[in-house]
Amino acid sequence: SQQGEEDPQALSIQEGENATMNCSYKTSINNLQWYRQNSGRGLVHLILIRSNEREKHSGRLRVTLDTSKKSSSLLITASRAADTASYFCATDAFGGGNKLTFGTGTQLKVEL
Amino acid sequence: GAVVSQHPSWVICKSGTSVKIECRSLDFQATTMFWYRQFPKQSLMLMATSNEGSKATYEQGVEKDKFLINHASLTLSTLTVTSAHPEDSSFYICSARVPSDTQYFGPGTRLTVL
Repeated sequence: SQQGEEDPQALSIQEGENATMNCSYKTSINNLQWYRQNSGRGLVHLILIRSNEREKHSGRLRVTLDTSKKSSSLLITASRAADTASYFCATDAFGGGNKLTFGTGTQLKVEL
Repeated sequence: GAVVSQHPSWVICKSGTSVKIECRSLDFQATTMFWYRQFPKQSLMLMATSNEGSKATYEQGVEKDKFLINHASLTLSTLTVTSAHPEDSSFYICSARVPSDTQYFGPGTRLTVL
């Protein structure tokens, strides 16, 4: 399977704390994208980071990419209860026709 | 911008019937759309790539005669689950790719086959 792995599978933290999720993948990529999914809903695009980029920020989100290790991380700072959701990384493989391969996902729970 | 809609949001049907799911890009044109399915508490699995004006490209293991895809215009792709059975019950999600390579996803369609 080409599916990426994410860890942890589940994470529970207190509001205000930071949450870090990691993603590992297997192939060379054009870009890597992070998505968020609330239970039973569609996916919301968070950040796209290209293979020649190492770090990207968007509000409270920080994404890093290490192509030598084939890994990426998503950091959510000062988490809020509303951040509770599942988070997925997805890779756009080099020569893959823009198809996305999703990781296994991390379920984040932020408690008050 | 970059809004993708799906219709219906959920559908319950009897075994043996066919169900059509629509995916529309509301404020942009999408030459390429993708169809995924997701089982409870699992990740998304790509089923097929839908190209406007040409045949869809199916992933290995996906039956093209069972999951019919039509991409008739730059804003509409349809997925028809033919002769549905209970094992086809799942959450079906479409996405549309924009020139920046980002894919925007629809809200999903929950199919339950009795």
